[in-house]
Parts: sequence; C-alpha cells; structure tokens
Amino acid sequence: EIVMTQSPVTLSVSPGERATLSCRASRSVSSNLAWYQQKPGQAPRLLIYGATDRAPSIPARFSGGGSGTEFALTISSLQSEDFAVYYCQQYDNWPLTFGGGTKVEIK
Amino acid sequence: QVQLQESGPGLVKPSETLSLTCAVSGTSIRRYYWSWVRQPPGKGLEWIGYIYYSGNTNSNPSLKRRVTMSVDTSKSHFSLNLTSVTAADTAIFYCARVSYDTSAYPIYYFDYWGQGILVTVSS
Repeated sequence: EIVMTQSPVTLSVSPGERATLSCRASRSVSSNLAWYQQKPGQAPRLLIYGATDRAPSIPARFSGGGSGTEFALTISSLQSEDFAVYYCQQYDNWPLTFGGGTKVEIK
Repeated sequence: QVQLQESGPGLVKPSETLSLTCAVSGTSIRRYYWSWVRQPPGKGLEWIGYIYYSGNTNSNPSLKRRVTMSVDTSKSHFSLNLTSVTAADTAIFYCARVSYDTSAYPIYYFDYWGQGILVTVSS
C-alpha cells in the first residue's frame, strides 16, 4: 500500500497570504494525484486531479504541482472560504489511499 | 446535476451488518464506476471499494473479507454491506462517483460525493 504523508498537519495563515501544502508518497504515483477540500460537516470537494489540473469551477488561486513522490497544493491568496482541511489522494496503485490531511486555519 | 444521497440506519449493533444505499440522480448509473469512502469522526478518509453496474468490484484489502457491494440499475442505486462491525467501524460513510477520461475509461479519483451518513456502531 502506498502511504501518503501530508505536511504540515496544521497551517496558520492570514487572509490574503499564500499557503503551500505538501503531500509525499511512499513510492512514485506518477501524476495520479488528486487534492480535495473539506469543510466542517461537508463532503470532500475535488480541487485538483492529475497533480496539476483544476476541477471545473475551482478558482485559479488553487494550483497543484509535482510528480512522482512529491506534490504541493498552493493557494495563492487565501480567502475566508478557503479555511478548511485539505486531503491528497493517490490513484496510481491499489488500494486507493489518502493523506492524513492539512488543516488550514486563520492566523 | 449529478446528485448522490446515502441512506441507511444510523446505529448498528456490534457483530451485525452495516447496510447502506446510495441513490444516484442526474446521470446514468451504468456510465460510471461508483465508490464508497469512510471517515471516522475527526479523522481522515479511507477508501472502501468501487463497483460498476456489470458487477465488477474492487475493495480495500483491509476490509475485503467484510465488504460486499451491489448495483440496482432499475432503482439507480448502489449498496454497501459491511459485516461483523465493531466500534472501529463508526464513521461517516460517503458514496462518490469515480471520474473518467475522454475515452470513458475510469480514473480513480472522485468528482461527485454524497453528503455522507454517520453510522455509529454501539449496543
């Protein structure tokens, strides 16, 4: 099983600032990586797939990068609605696995 | 628009079987692969398994012996059974649609999710 490790666990950021979240795979997943945003009491929402492609309706301030074992999600200028938990997920190998999440909180 | 809605009992006794259904609307259940994901309260996400209308399934080895899934195309819903539950199975269960590429080949990330249903295992 591929283990996905996200860091940091919590990221404190001021509105308007840039946030960079990391996701590391225990072995290469090529570009088969997705990012999700989850707000309290809600289901996850797809943000990024293929490591870099934004899902429909996702604002351009969200961008994904990386390949192989190292990935990043960048939020260029945090808006109030972006404070949430973010998860990465690999879909290169079975079983599908998720990272433990990064909580982005207001500084 | 595509909508998914989970349903089932919110409380299951230990050693019994957890049974959930996901109703699909706004799209054909035959066109896509469908999946279950769970999330223990306050914790991360765990993939449970997927199913296609043909009966093709795959599930997480950590749960494989206890998981069965089925699809009812006439009712446009798919179902999950998880046997021999314990308190460790207490979680929010989500159903989700597996995405696809331009050739209609499944790509195993999830583009639509249900709202989730909390299932508590307790006597």
